[in-house]
Amino acid sequence: AQKVTQAQTEISVVEKEDVTLDCVYETRDTTYYLFWYKQPPSGELVFLIRRNSFDEQNEISGRYSWNFQKSTSSFNFTITASQVVDSAVYFCALGNQGGKLIFGQGTELSVKP
Amino acid sequence: KAGVTQTPRYLIKTRGQQVTLSCSPISGHRSVSWYQQTPGQGLQFLFEYFSETQRNKGNFPGRFSGRQFSNSRSEMNVSTLELGDSALYLCASSSAGAPTHSGANVLTFGAGSRLTVL
Repeated sequence: AQKVTQAQTEISVVEKEDVTLDCVYETRDTTYYLFWYKQPPSGELVFLIRRNSFDEQNEISGRYSWNFQKSTSSFNFTITASQVVDSAVYFCALGNQGGKLIFGQGTELSVKP
Repeated sequence: KAGVTQTPRYLIKTRGQQVTLSCSPISGHRSVSWYQQTPGQGLQFLFEYFSETQRNKGNFPGRFSGRQFSNSRSEMNVSTLELGDSALYLCASSSAGAPTHSGANVLTFGAGSRLTVL
């Protein structure tokens, strides 16, 4: 069975701190895709990144970076120099086909000024 | 380019009633997926439609159904509502091709329809 675990339910940081959101997944598939989505208070999930299981290169996009490690089945997300606008719930998700994704329970990030 | 549009945004129903939610995908997107979000269960996949055909289905009772029209607009219906059906229902569309050939899609989500069952 596929499963995504985000052990951190809530994280609170002060602006400009770095913060890492953890994501651990379980799957027996050899080909799969991992995602991160952001859900601000408005409710609409916003896509951040997709990685496939064959691409373990870490990725950096501005203040965001992702660390994918197949050996530990983890796909962690780091926000550098956090800002108040980063406050949201962040979801890690796993899928292998189409629009069916298995989401983690989410991590609520609160960035205080 | 308009995003994914869901209507209605909010609605209140009573137990035993039925409800229909609508989703208009991004123009050109042929794949539409539906998710239920609750505080207890989180985000759970309901079903996916591609070119008017249901391609995938989550683990929900038969009271939950959906369909997709030729213009890719989709509707989902919940019959005989229960208190536990209170949730945010999210629709997402994708430009990817047939699900069996495109891997897991990048989904663009709508703002959701918040259903309260009393």
